[in-house]
Amino acid sequence: KAGVTQTPRYLIKTRGQQVTLSCSPISGHRSVSWYQQTPGQGLQFLFEYFSETQRNKGNFPGRFSGRQFSNSRSEMNVSTLELGDSALYLCASSAGQGDQPQHFGDGTRLSIL
Amino acid sequence: GQQVMQIPQYQHVQEGEDFTTYCNSSTTLSNIQWYKQRPGGHPVFLIQLVKSGEVKKQKRLTFQFGEAKKNSSLHITATQTTDVGTYFCAGPGGATNKLIFGTGTLLAVQP
Repeated sequence: KAGVTQTPRYLIKTRGQQVTLSCSPISGHRSVSWYQQTPGQGLQFLFEYFSETQRNKGNFPGRFSGRQFSNSRSEMNVSTLELGDSALYLCASSAGQGDQPQHFGDGTRLSIL
Repeated sequence: GQQVMQIPQYQHVQEGEDFTTYCNSSTTLSNIQWYKQRPGGHPVFLIQLVKSGEVKKQKRLTFQFGEAKKNSSLHITATQTTDVGTYFCAGPGGATNKLIFGTGTLLAVQP
């Protein structure tokens, strides 16, 4: 089985712009979760989608949003980018719901200038 | 809200020495998961423990779930340079059981 695929791998943006990240889960996995990883804050949960519905949401501002399509692929959008949004954004899929073992993609490294 | 803490934050060992990282949750967990993230890589699922007092082994790695299901440990016997990375524990928390990751322990192994 192919693993979790995230695109793009690297992204450079400037403050105020918006960005969309994409995630294709492992075939058959219906749950997709997004995490932000920074050196200071560790792995922070953003949100989880299951069968196209947002099932869980972390403590991030409304500038962070996501969606899931009928084929379980998911996108995450960040609007009005801030310097503090520079991070590694990881997507993970699981066979069950989001409290089950997660299979992570390689992540998207987002740098804000 | 629920917190999952790990100690130590960082451990530097000589190759061949043992290593242990501890994970503590502020609330009871239905299960505990362990992940390893190599430098520059992504977290990789290692194991899941479900039962109180459960102990599982994977070669040189021993995982334990506490009796109260609020703490867990990962012990590595005779570390190797391939063990380098950050080890995270994670458990479901909150009203909707979202997965909460611990703060992580970075292991450095000197050959």
